[in-house]
Amino acid sequence: DTAVSQTPKYLVTQMGNDKSIKCEQNLGHDTMYWYKQDSKKFLKIMFSYNNKELIINETVPNRFSPKSPDKAHLNLHINSLELGDSAVYFCASSQQGGSLTDTQYFGPGTRLTVL
Amino acid sequence: KQEVTQIPAALSVPEGENLVLNCSFTDSAIYNLQWFRQDPGKGLTSLLLIQSSQREQTSGRLNASLDKSSGRSTLYIAASQPGDSATYLCAVANSGYALNFGKGTSLLVTP
Repeated sequence: DTAVSQTPKYLVTQMGNDKSIKCEQNLGHDTMYWYKQDSKKFLKIMFSYNNKELIINETVPNRFSPKSPDKAHLNLHINSLELGDSAVYFCASSQQGGSLTDTQYFGPGTRLTVL
Repeated sequence: KQEVTQIPAALSVPEGENLVLNCSFTDSAIYNLQWFRQDPGKGLTSLLLIQSSQREQTSGRLNASLDKSSGRSTLYIAASQPGDSATYLCAVANSGYALNFGKGTSLLVTP
């Protein structure tokens, strides 16, 4: 069974559209994250949630809205897509964020292409 | 703001060599440091986690060291194999709720 899964794997869309990426973890973890990997392969934190509560929001435009319906899911909704949003988006989870021994487990990524 | 730098950016070695990947960070107030492996088109796989109070961790042919005071970590890979070819990422946790990543070292091990 996949530990952290994301859907879809690939997403191609036009500028101005609204799209969602879904993430689910079956590890029983309390904390979930969204990271963005840009065209230069640089990974940067976007959001982190602990027990469905937003902990970190790293200067991400308001067009990005994460939603955590329960501890096992953290979805990412993007409004009014722009060319610069093209990237690979990774979801991750960990047992308990803030712990010294907390290891993050990553999903396979969603490659978003905005035309 | 934490900045993480990895050197070299790319490395090509023949099979069987021992090699060292370097990571440096600017803020020594860390929770832990993790090394990840990323294969092309894939997600990240955690290799080793070193807590801020630890000096090193080992897993199989991999050994990671941490010198928090100088802001440095190294990943040592013994007896490299073609299957080790991937991008290796160093990531530092400061707040515990986010990882700050370096840009990675792209490793190619040739048969």
